[in-house]
Amino acid sequence: NAGVMQNPRHLVRRRGQEARLRCSPMKGHSHVYWYRQLPEEGLKFMVYLQKENIIDESGMPKERFSAEFPKEGPSILRIQQVVRGDSAAYFCASSPATGTDEQYFGPGTRLTVT
Amino acid sequence: KQEVTQIPAALSVPEGENLVLNCSFTDSAIYNLQWFRQDPGKGLTSLLLIQSSQREQTSGRLNASLDKSSGRSTLYIAASQPGDSATYLCVLSSARQLTFGSGTQLTVLP
Repeated sequence: NAGVMQNPRHLVRRRGQEARLRCSPMKGHSHVYWYRQLPEEGLKFMVYLQKENIIDESGMPKERFSAEFPKEGPSILRIQQVVRGDSAAYFCASSPATGTDEQYFGPGTRLTVT
Repeated sequence: KQEVTQIPAALSVPEGENLVLNCSFTDSAIYNLQWFRQDPGKGLTSLLLIQSSQREQTSGRLNASLDKSSGRSTLYIAASQPGDSATYLCVLSSARQLTFGSGTQLTVLP
């Protein structure tokens, strides 16, 4: 059973471009979480999704950021018009159900905005 | 709002020492607590998961405890090795999200 997969592992974008980060949860998992780790800071929750639904987006910046988890295919975190401050590691985690179940983390995508 | 504090922020020990990493939290209404390891440039590796109803978990040289009443967890590492060098994160699960501590950066010197 493959773990949580994220791609790309490294992504370089110029200011103003769009960044798309993909997350494929573990097989059988229907819950996906996105976290961001800014340089020299801890991880912070961004958004929690189930298939076709955003459950909690309280950690998402109000502008330029969006996330989806379609019925088929990976979860996508999309950042429009990237700025240097978006440079960070973005981690995805999945779980089979919320609450007591463990979240399994992907290796992360390191976004660098030049 | 849940707040998680990890002390110390950094720790350097000689190989072979036993050590304790501390984590404190403000809201005891949690589902579980996890200890993760993060290596530079890599993802997170889950070390131990303690459910809310449990007091401790053990895996190999690692032992984690949970005391909800005092809002504390400890990660005990026995006979430390250079390969244990990493950042250790304490993470609390409640309601629909995880709250991360800022981590303890551990260096084990050969």
